[in-house]
Amino acid sequence: DIQMTQSPSSLSAFVGDRVTITCRASQPINIYLSWYQKKSGQAPKLLIHGASSLVSGVPSRFSGGGSGTDFTLTINGLQPDDFATYYCQQSYSVLYTFGQGTRLDSK
Amino acid sequence: QIQLQESGPGLVEPSQTLSLTCTVSGGSIDSGSYYWSWVRQPAGGGLEWIGRVHTSGSTDYKSSLKSRVAISIDTSKNQFSLKVSSVTAADTAVYYCARSTPRGSRYGMDVWGQGTTVSVSS
Repeated sequence: DIQMTQSPSSLSAFVGDRVTITCRASQPINIYLSWYQKKSGQAPKLLIHGASSLVSGVPSRFSGGGSGTDFTLTINGLQPDDFATYYCQQSYSVLYTFGQGTRLDSK
Repeated sequence: QIQLQESGPGLVEPSQTLSLTCTVSGGSIDSGSYYWSWVRQPAGGGLEWIGRVHTSGSTDYKSSLKSRVAISIDTSKNQFSLKVSSVTAADTAVYYCARSTPRGSRYGMDVWGQGTTVSVSS
């Protein structure tokens, strides 16, 4: 199965900051990479698919990029509601895999 | 607006089979070419994709779980199900069901159930 590695595993930031999370695939996955936001007690929320396509209703401060093996999720102007854990997920292979997650908390 | 709801026992004994059902409401499970997945998250851990079933009934499973997992679909009941055999404490987790996006199976999972907690203990 394709391995997905996120970095950092955790980070602390202030409201208003710009933060970037990276995700690396163990083999090329084209653009078939999605990002999810996960809060405790809630289901994952799809933010971005196709590496850079923002899901309808997701704030424009979220953006994604990359292709092949290296991808990024950037949040421009962190808001209090953004403190959560973020996961990348590949769907290039029929056997989906998630990254280990990046916990974003308030500094 | 399609909604998913997981159901099943919250406690399973070690070595037994875990069985969960995901009921689809607000739409027909076979109206379109969708993949329906199961994902789990152990306490303090990350998300783990378990497997998926297509509306046609075809399935795909995570390699390390393939020998113990079975996912099926029942279009007459608008449900799909998960069975995990020979469970251990490592199978204790919150289990989610989810649907692939209308754009296709390669574009993420956009509809999720609220999750159900399953504990493996005697």
